Amino acid sequence: GNSVTQMEGPVTLSEEAFLTINCTYTATGYPSLFWYVQYPGEGLQLLLKATKADDKGSNKGFEATYRKETTSFHLEKGSVQVSDSAVYFCALTLESNTGKLIFGQGTTLQVKP
Amino acid sequence: GAGVSQSPSNKVTEKGKDVELRCDPISGHTALYWYRQSLGQGLEFLIYFQGNSAPDKSGLPSDRFSAERTGGSVSTLTIQRTQQEDSAVYLCASSLYKLSTDTQYFGPGTRLTVL
Repeated sequence: GNSVTQMEGPVTLSEEAFLTINCTYTATGYPSLFWYVQYPGEGLQLLLKATKADDKGSNKGFEATYRKETTSFHLEKGSVQVSDSAVYFCALTLESNTGKLIFGQGTTLQVKP
Repeated sequence: GAGVSQSPSNKVTEKGKDVELRCDPISGHTALYWYRQSLGQGLEFLIYFQGNSAPDKSGLPSDRFSAERTGGSVSTLTIQRTQQEDSAVYLCASSLYKLSTDTQYFGPGTRLTVL
């Protein structure tokens, strides 16, 4: 079936460290890929997305590249801040699937000053 | 403009009671989705509406769960005879269309606690 797998957390980093959160997917067809973020006490919001192979999504210093050959969409940021502390969800949708999001289990990021 | 709103923000109920959760999507958004976020199961899809019809109800966990949407806008998720395993945060999202490339905008959620 269609699924998303993320690296387990929590991930704890010092401010200005480099961040990678791994995400791989299994899908029939050609999915669109998303990263959503949930800051403490807030709702889910879109961080970035990529809708076809080799596309790079970027926002707020975060980047992720849609890699069809490795079925991956890893999230990266060169220098994290304390304000980046949140739960990050990788997700996919399929054209054949009514557009519903299929989420990974989420990765908690804690950035310490 | 206004985002997706949900009410109530918190609901505590006793096992066996019925509850109704409400979602107001962004004006003009034709697609509406309900999801559930729980510790054990993560984020799960429940049901999708296009306009007032629900072509995909595949995520509803049992026949105690139902939902409707009226006027192509407000949606209500009803849980009958609540059980403790129904305790979760219920999230509503809307998008302009149902294209897989569209961004879904989420509401703040309703936290349901079944005692």
